[in-house]
Amino acid sequence: DTGVSQDPRHKITKRGQNVTFRCDPISEHNRLYWYRQTLGQGPEFLTYFQNEAQLEKSRLLSNRFSAERPKGSFSTLEIQRTEQGDSAMYLCASSVTGGPTYEQYFGPGTRLTVT
Amino acid sequence: DAKTTQPNSMESNEEEPVHLPCNHSTISGTDYIHWYRQLPSQGPEYVIHGLTSNVNNRMASLAIAEDRKSSTLILHRATLRDAAVYYCNYGSGNTGKLIFGQGTTLQVKP
Repeated sequence: DTGVSQDPRHKITKRGQNVTFRCDPISEHNRLYWYRQTLGQGPEFLTYFQNEAQLEKSRLLSNRFSAERPKGSFSTLEIQRTEQGDSAMYLCASSVTGGPTYEQYFGPGTRLTVT
Repeated sequence: DAKTTQPNSMESNEEEPVHLPCNHSTISGTDYIHWYRQLPSQGPEYVIHGLTSNVNNRMASLAIAEDRKSSTLILHRATLRDAAVYYCNYGSGNTGKLIFGQGTTLQVKP
């Protein structure tokens, strides 16, 4: 299967701890997006990369959040000093530049629970 | 950010057509309309997109109003596997970011 993969699928952490999630996009896709989804809501855009460049960040992405895509392939999303409000599903998606960028392919998500 | 209005929920019987409406009155002339759906415990899945003309693909059809302020996603024969939350949104595609609203939860009854 060559779809978008995310690791881990579930993460339980205590408040104040740091967590890091990984996303592996579809191999030929040079755009990568991160979204956050809380229960009963649609996904909210966090940030996106074109190759290794981070081109846009949402105001939702506080200074406790950082995302990287060092070699233009996989990406990581780190949350420092987690808070209970960070509990959510974190979704990664990828697409091809030059194609219809609204046609994004999503991974299964990482569900974060902060206790 | 793009704003859309959709009914919170809809019901359909299996094997019957389903018409899912979406209002997007603030859309601009160059914005594409796109639809995604999200099955339980999965990430969203692209369904279809369009600009002005109606569009068909293997999953669904998209009917776009002449003034482009509304659109309708048409599932020609609903199956139980079509039960999901359906989101419509729009954007120019330059940034690629998607702005999701609340979506419509579709229930399909056997």
